[in-house]
Amino acid sequence: DTAVSQTPKYLVTQMGNDKSIKCEQNLGHDTMYWYKQDSKKFLKIMFSYNNKELIINETVPNRFSPKSPDKAHLNLHINSLELGDSAVYFCASSLEVWPGGNTIYFGEGSWLTVV
Amino acid sequence: KNQVEQSPQSLIILEGKNCTLQCNYTVSPFSNLRWYKQDTGRGPVSLTIMTFSENTKSNGRYTATLDADTKQSSLHITASQLSDSASYICVVSAGTALIFGKGTTLSVSS
Repeated sequence: DTAVSQTPKYLVTQMGNDKSIKCEQNLGHDTMYWYKQDSKKFLKIMFSYNNKELIINETVPNRFSPKSPDKAHLNLHINSLELGDSAVYFCASSLEVWPGGNTIYFGEGSWLTVV
Repeated sequence: KNQVEQSPQSLIILEGKNCTLQCNYTVSPFSNLRWYKQDTGRGPVSLTIMTFSENTKSNGRYTATLDADTKQSSLHITASQLSDSASYICVVSAGTALIFGKGTTLSVSS
C-alpha cells in the first residue's frame, strides 16, 4: 500500500563504485522527482520527470543519471561515487508537472554512505 | 534571491504544551506555502498547503497561518504529543520552483 516506495533504504559502498536507487509510485501521478537531503537536513531538488520526460535538471554532476522506464518508475543511477555523495535521497511524486497546489508525496528515503 | 527562513532552528517543549514555529520568505512569484512534517528516518509528509488568499488552515492539532503582506507563516501545534517530535519544513512555491526551508526540529518530552 506504500504510495512512493524506494529501494534500497540503506546503502553503504566504496568510492568509485556505481550504484542505483529504484523508485516506484502507485498513485497514478504523472510527475516524479529526486531530492537530495544533506547532513544539515536541507532538501534540494535534483530531477523532475513528467510522463517519462525530463523536466527539471538542477545543477547535478553528470555522474547522476535518472531513468524513467514508465511514469510510475524513476530510478537514479550514480557513477563513480564520491564521499560527498553521502546523503539521503528521496523520491517523490505529484499529480501534475507543475507542483502548484498539488501535494508532493515523498518516499521513505535511501540512506547512501560512501566510504 | 528566493529564500525561506525558519525559526527557531530547534525547540524543546513538554508534552501537552503548545508551540509555534515560524517561516519567513522572500519568494517571487508566490504560488503557495506548504508545511511538511519529517519524522526521524522517514520522508516528509504534507501537513497543509496554503494559497495567497488563505489566512488560516487547520489539520487536526496543527494550524497554519499565512500573512502574504508580511511574507510570514506560522505553524501552531496545540496540546503537543510525543509523536509530534520531528522536523517541520516550510516550503514555498515560486512559480514552478519549490524553495525549501532548513526546518525546525521539535522535541517533545514527557
